[in-house]
Amino acid sequence: SYELTQPPSVSVSPGQTARITCSGDTLGNKYVSWYQQRPGQSPMVVIFQDDKRPSGIPGRFSASNSGDTATLTISGTQPMDEADYYCQAWDYNTGVFGTGTKVTVL
Amino acid sequence: QVHLQESGPGLVMPSGTLPLTCAVSGDSISGTNWWTWVRRTPGAGLEWIGEVYPSGSTNYNPSLEGRVTLSVDKSKNQFSLKLDSLTAADTAMYYCVRARSLHTNMGRANFFDYWGQGALVTVAS
Repeated sequence: SYELTQPPSVSVSPGQTARITCSGDTLGNKYVSWYQQRPGQSPMVVIFQDDKRPSGIPGRFSASNSGDTATLTISGTQPMDEADYYCQAWDYNTGVFGTGTKVTVL
Repeated sequence: QVHLQESGPGLVMPSGTLPLTCAVSGDSISGTNWWTWVRRTPGAGLEWIGEVYPSGSTNYNPSLEGRVTLSVDKSKNQFSLKLDSLTAADTAMYYCVRARSLHTNMGRANFFDYWGQGALVTVAS
């Protein structure tokens, strides 16, 4: 089965840049979306179709996808960005989530 | 505004069956989107369970295939999950989700744009 691997945790200081990677075989040939889940809340999409932001998502969220790795970048990280982040892609008609990354804003 | 609301038992017996329903408002379930179930198990991440199209077409997670059945009820604008042969490993928060359909020439680009608040399900005797 197809797997997406993320680092378990990323720590960042307020105002700095956080980068979260998502690795999978030829992931660059698939579309990736990214989800944020704050404690006690439902997940929320922050990026879809590799690099598109839904309305209402701040411009500090950006993403790219090439080769075997997709990357979510949070520029000027704020305390409210502390959450779990998951990448997601499709293996034909099966949805696959990444292993998840906990972002801590120190 | 699209709203999804899960309903079902919070506690189910091992080896039993979990029935969950998702009521949809603000969108017709008969449209062009896929209707999806995702779960998050304690201490673990998100797991895609499966999806159902208004026509009744389904796709399931291979790890759950054989135990899961998804269906739609257009008259009630809702869709449902049935998960059989439950074990403690099925204890999780279950979310119903709308998957927005995007048509591209590079494969599926569908993404999950609306999520329910989640239904906590515990499998225990």
